[in-house]
Amino acid sequence: DIVMTQTPLSSPVTLGQPASISCRSSQSLVHSDGNTYLSWFHQRPGQPPRLLIYDISKRLSGVPDRFSGSGAGTDFTLKISRVEAEDVGVYYCMQATQFPTFGQGTKVEIK
Amino acid sequence: QVTLRESGPALVRPTQTLTLTCTVSGFSLTTRGMCVAWIRQPPGKALEWLARLDWDDDKYYSTSLKTRLTISKDTSKNQVVLTMTNMAPVDTATYYCARMSLMSGVVDYWGQGTLVAVSS
Repeated sequence: DIVMTQTPLSSPVTLGQPASISCRSSQSLVHSDGNTYLSWFHQRPGQPPRLLIYDISKRLSGVPDRFSGSGAGTDFTLKISRVEAEDVGVYYCMQATQFPTFGQGTKVEIK
Repeated sequence: QVTLRESGPALVRPTQTLTLTCTVSGFSLTTRGMCVAWIRQPPGKALEWLARLDWDDDKYYSTSLKTRLTISKDTSKNQVVLTMTNMAPVDTATYYCARMSLMSGVVDYWGQGTLVAVSS
């Protein structure tokens, strides 16, 4: 199975400041069809995860443009340009190039 | 409107078999390019994919759990069923079903989840 490793595991941020989360895969996520199936989710306590970004950098409809994804191969990043109070929670990366696996999660909280 | 709803027991005893049902609406289990997955999350821990059932009845399982899992569907009832044998306390978790597009890898709809505790 592909192992997904996220850093940091915890990210205290100041409102209005940027945040960045890294996700590294144990092998390339480039599928034989040429696509890279890397997604990012946000989860609040007691709620199911909510998809933010798929295919590395495509924002789901309705997701604010302060969220952006980038990367290639085995290294990927989620950035929040200006953290708002509603952004607190745990963020997960997930690969679906092979049988899907998630990262360990990164908890974003306000300082 | 797409919805998924999990149902099953809140408590199972160690060594018992867990049976969970995901009832879907707003889409068909035979829609080309779609699948339904079971994903779990132990309290305070990360998400873990368990199994996936594709529109054409192909089935895929977590490597570490495949000997204990069976996924199936009842198209007439719009239901996907997961069974997990030989339950243990470490299997205590919230179990989610979710829909994924095989074309894009997008997991766009989730159920609210059902918490299953394993205890004697």
